[in-house]
Amino acid sequence: EPEVTQTPSHQVTQMGQEVILRCVPISNHLYFYWYRQILGQKVEFLVSFYNNEISEKSEIFDDQFSVERPDGSNFTLKIRSTKLEDSAMYFCASSGSRGGYEQYFGPGTRLTVT
Amino acid sequence: GIQVEQSPPDLILQEGANSTLRCNFSDSVNNLQWFHQNPWGQLINLFYIPSGTKQNGRLSATTVATERYSLLYISSSQTTDSGVYFCAVERPHKAAGNKLTFGGGTRVLVKP
Repeated sequence: EPEVTQTPSHQVTQMGQEVILRCVPISNHLYFYWYRQILGQKVEFLVSFYNNEISEKSEIFDDQFSVERPDGSNFTLKIRSTKLEDSAMYFCASSGSRGGYEQYFGPGTRLTVT
Repeated sequence: GIQVEQSPPDLILQEGANSTLRCNFSDSVNNLQWFHQNPWGQLINLFYIPSGTKQNGRLSATTVATERYSLLYISSSQTTDSGVYFCAVERPHKAAGNKLTFGGGTRVLVKP
């Protein structure tokens, strides 16, 4: 069964450093998402992406964040200058279409900012 | 935005027991998904169930969209069922990015 993959599974970085989290969505999917979960809290939407542009972003997704689909398979989330409060689990998801279609989640990347 | 409330927040079960988890939402939805978050933090898709009833092994789910709630049933619980169960919904919106809004989760502990 096709699945969403994410790398790395765990990343430790120092405050102020740039990180790139990588995702490979399901191959025929067109809609891509990033979500975040701070330890012990609920999962929160960050951004959705379609046709090489952002469809919607949350208040969390400020100028420190950016997303890119650099080639036909990868979807990345970049945090330009990490803060302690960016420590969280980051989930990538993809769906085959928009409007009520199932979103398939990757296993997550645990980001620890020290 | 849409509100998603899950109950109970915590549930302790003896192995073999049955249980029902509830998800209430405040507005109409065109997508509802149930997830199980395992001890490693991974979100496992359980059900895509915007309406109706589905079963998968010992788990089943029912969504009554007109009354704005969904139920997840766990039968004959096992210790591997422990973890946090999340409900997530999507509001129909022409121009929006189809985001899922998650509830706060139900933390389940199954004791041997």
